[in-house]
Amino acid sequence: GAVVSQHPSRVICKSGTSVKIECRSLDFQATTMFWYRQFPKQSLMLMATSNEGSKATYEQGVEKDKFLINHASLTLSTLTVTSAHPEDSSFYICSAPDGGNTDTQYFGPGTRLTVL
Amino acid sequence: GEDVEQSLFLSVREGDSSVINCTYTDSSSTYLYWYKQEPGAGLQLLTYIFSNMDMKQDQRLTVLLNKKDKHLSLRIADTQTGDSAIYFCADKLTGGGNKLTFGTGTQLKVEL
Repeated sequence: GAVVSQHPSRVICKSGTSVKIECRSLDFQATTMFWYRQFPKQSLMLMATSNEGSKATYEQGVEKDKFLINHASLTLSTLTVTSAHPEDSSFYICSAPDGGNTDTQYFGPGTRLTVL
Repeated sequence: GEDVEQSLFLSVREGDSSVINCTYTDSSSTYLYWYKQEPGAGLQLLTYIFSNMDMKQDQRLTVLLNKKDKHLSLRIADTQTGDSAIYFCADKLTGGGNKLTFGTGTQLKVEL
């Protein structure tokens, strides 16, 4: 299957700083990528759809000025958590559809963000 | 909006079959998926089924889809300790682009 990577896998930062998370499709191109947030023992919550060459589409209740998304190329999307606070601590996962007949989504390994 | 539900927990003995159930509310699903998540990791695609199919088998995995009842199940034959994980069902709706709606997840525990 297709491979999606994320970097970093784990990050600890101080309150007020910004953190950038990268999502890459390694062996396919993706015009859209998705960013999810997962709280402990809970399901995935879709935050936004990242669109190559245009603005991201945010889900209701997600602050676009806090979670900046940039889809720089057909293989890279970045999520920047700005002015991070402890309540932003979470597991962030990206996914990308492989563009095949079924457009199956493949997920990255996730990034664990801890804000002190 | 779409609502996808799963039972929270399932415990089975090694070698037995596991059946994980999922119900959904929107009848316009096109594809339904099963993903596996191990602790601290991302989601691994296990299998998927197109909405006009009733059953799909892939090695130890069997997916059953009952569209009338909006019910999806995943059967794992000869369950092993390595199958212990959280299993998520997800569906893709007609006209929803590539967005997936995820179930609440089922924690599968395999005991010796």
